[in-house]
Amino acid sequence: QVQLQESGPGLVKPSQTLSLTCTVSGGSISSGSYYWSWIRQPAGKGLEWIGRIYTSGSTNYNPSLKSRVTISVDTSKNQFSLKLSSVTAADTAVYYCARGNPTYYYDSSGFSTLYYFDYWGQGTLVTVSS
Amino acid sequence: QLVLTQSPSASASLGASVKLTCTLSSGHSSYAIAWHQQQPEKGPRYLMKLNSDGSHSKGDGIPDRFSGSSSGAERYLTISSLQSEDEADYYCQTWGTGVVFGGGTKLTVL
Repeated sequence: QVQLQESGPGLVKPSQTLSLTCTVSGGSISSGSYYWSWIRQPAGKGLEWIGRIYTSGSTNYNPSLKSRVTISVDTSKNQFSLKLSSVTAADTAVYYCARGNPTYYYDSSGFSTLYYFDYWGQGTLVTVSS
Repeated sequence: QLVLTQSPSASASLGASVKLTCTLSSGHSSYAIAWHQQQPEKGPRYLMKLNSDGSHSKGDGIPDRFSGSSSGAERYLTISSLQSEDEADYYCQTWGTGVVFGGGTKLTVL
């Protein structure tokens, strides 16, 4: 059973960099064709995808956050990490890590891919405040 | 632009059934989606992936009470024999040029 656990500071000052790590257990982060994502959720609001990384190091980011986000992977530690720079109060949220599993399907436009999150971490609250 | 639309809230009585809807934006009616459940104060949990033809595959341990179906651009999550622990937020999710989430539906079990 794959498990993901977020860790990192719960309080970050405005303009500083938020740094979180997700530790994967119950399986190797390098096995399979999985993508590893970060998602966040402000209090009382919905889910927002931040970005993802493949174990090759290939990344994709949400365009709305791309200029401030870096996601990296350390396969030797079975971990991947998030850095979000120049934070403001608007970045206060619960941050989740999750495993993205690709599934392929055929539709009217040919073959397509759905990346769905089959395992989630429990989340960690990060507050941006001085 | 790929958008998933969900009603903000739904309610149904204990023991009854409820059908939640996720609507794909125009031009994207063939997309597959996934459904996730978020109980209060918990992280999301994967429920199932659902194709445009209604075929679906559930996550490990998801009860038979949960099922999926599709019609055109709409993707449905049906929960039968509602239990108190089904009171949660339900999100649909898909992939375009990035991950897209619906706004979520808050289900209240009366």
